Amino acid sequence: LAKTTQPISMDSYEGQEVNITCSHNNIATNDYITWYQQFPSQGPRFIIQGYKTKVTNEVASLFIPADRKSSTLSLPRVSLSDTAVYYCLVGGGGATNKLIFGTGTLLAVQP
Amino acid sequence: DAGVIQSPRHEVTEMGQEVTLRCKPISGHNSLFWYRQTMMRGLELLIYFNNNVPIDDSGMPEDRFSAKMPNASFSTLKIQPSEPRDSAVYFCASSLGRGSYNEQFFGPGTRLTVL
Repeated sequence: LAKTTQPISMDSYEGQEVNITCSHNNIATNDYITWYQQFPSQGPRFIIQGYKTKVTNEVASLFIPADRKSSTLSLPRVSLSDTAVYYCLVGGGGATNKLIFGTGTLLAVQP
Repeated sequence: DAGVIQSPRHEVTEMGQEVTLRCKPISGHNSLFWYRQTMMRGLELLIYFNNNVPIDDSGMPEDRFSAKMPNASFSTLKIQPSEPRDSAVYFCASSLGRGSYNEQFFGPGTRLTVL
């Protein structure tokens, strides 16, 4: 099973770009990489998903190198409301559909 | 759409009692997931249903835990008997499609405290 590792916390200031990296060394061939955001007392919320290379949507970008052993979530120009815990989720591919959540990264955005 | 609905939002019970958590997925979604979140272990997938059939229950901690999905609009997670180490926030999520990689929509969670 893919084990995921993320930094425990990160600090940033409003308007900066933030990059959060997740390590998943033993990702399986069919596994997808998905990132979720979680605010206190709420369930996680989908941000972005990718399989390889780069994916961009209206809120974030996801960079995945060729070996797929890591991924980087990029949040452009963060605001105070982006303060939350960010999780990478690896899995979902193949017959087993196993899903492994990372430990989560607490992003604190300051004025 | 009301989103994923979970009940109760909070549950306090005593060790040894039976606990039943309930979930109503988003209408039209055909996959449903139960998760447990604790400070020590983070988010753990307990069980995953597709079209009301359990696909993967390898995350269910032990025989004290059971989950059912009698129809497409309702699922339960039961703990019997409950123990203090079961204290956690339990999330239900639903998605459209068979693969567990599809975007999941989470409910607000049930905070369970077992005394």
